[in-house]
Amino acid sequence: EAGVTQFPSHSVIEKGQTVTLRCDPISGHDNLYWYRRVMGKEIKFLLHFVKESKQDESGMPNNRFLAERTGGTYSTLKVQPAELEDSGVYFCASSQGTTGSGNTIYFGEGSWLTVV
Amino acid sequence: GDSVTQMEGPVTLSEEAFLTINCTYTATGYPSLFWYVQYPGEGLQLLLKATKADDKGSNKGFEATYRKETTSFHLEKGSVQVSDSAVYFCALRKGGGNKLTFGTGTQLKVEL
Repeated sequence: EAGVTQFPSHSVIEKGQTVTLRCDPISGHDNLYWYRRVMGKEIKFLLHFVKESKQDESGMPNNRFLAERTGGTYSTLKVQPAELEDSGVYFCASSQGTTGSGNTIYFGEGSWLTVV
Repeated sequence: GDSVTQMEGPVTLSEEAFLTINCTYTATGYPSLFWYVQYPGEGLQLLLKATKADDKGSNKGFEATYRKETTSFHLEKGSVQVSDSAVYFCALRKGGGNKLTFGTGTQLKVEL
């Protein structure tokens, strides 16, 4: 079974440009999450989708970040325009449910973003 | 708000040494506690977890016990290997929720 996959694995862009990160969750997982780790700091929650709906977007830093999950399958996270402080690793994760044995959260390998 | 505090890294050990990575948390209620590991070039993997006080999570020789009285979840391993070199993250999740709160991560380097 394929795990959570993210694309691109690495991206270097200039300040002011746009970057779109993609995440494919594990098949059948209704819950999809985005997290971010900036250099040397903790991994922080950005938002949580249940199917195509945003369940919790309290961690989104500002309106330069836009997350979508059309059709409840893959998700994209767009940063526009990118700023230097957006550099970091963006992790996507998914889980089948929210309770019991189906609530284990599985993470992808991360998308490393460098804004120069 | 909820928070997780981990010991600062990097931690450098010789192979077969004993490992302790300290983790304490602040949260209301009864969170579930986790250790995640990120090996070089890979994603975050769940290493072990504990869902209630006095539970011990264990996996791959690593152990951690949920201590409510000290609000701690220290990670231990009796004999580390070079292959254990990675970044270790302590995390909590509030009951019924899916949002993980992570610590800053502790980098472990094991040398021959």
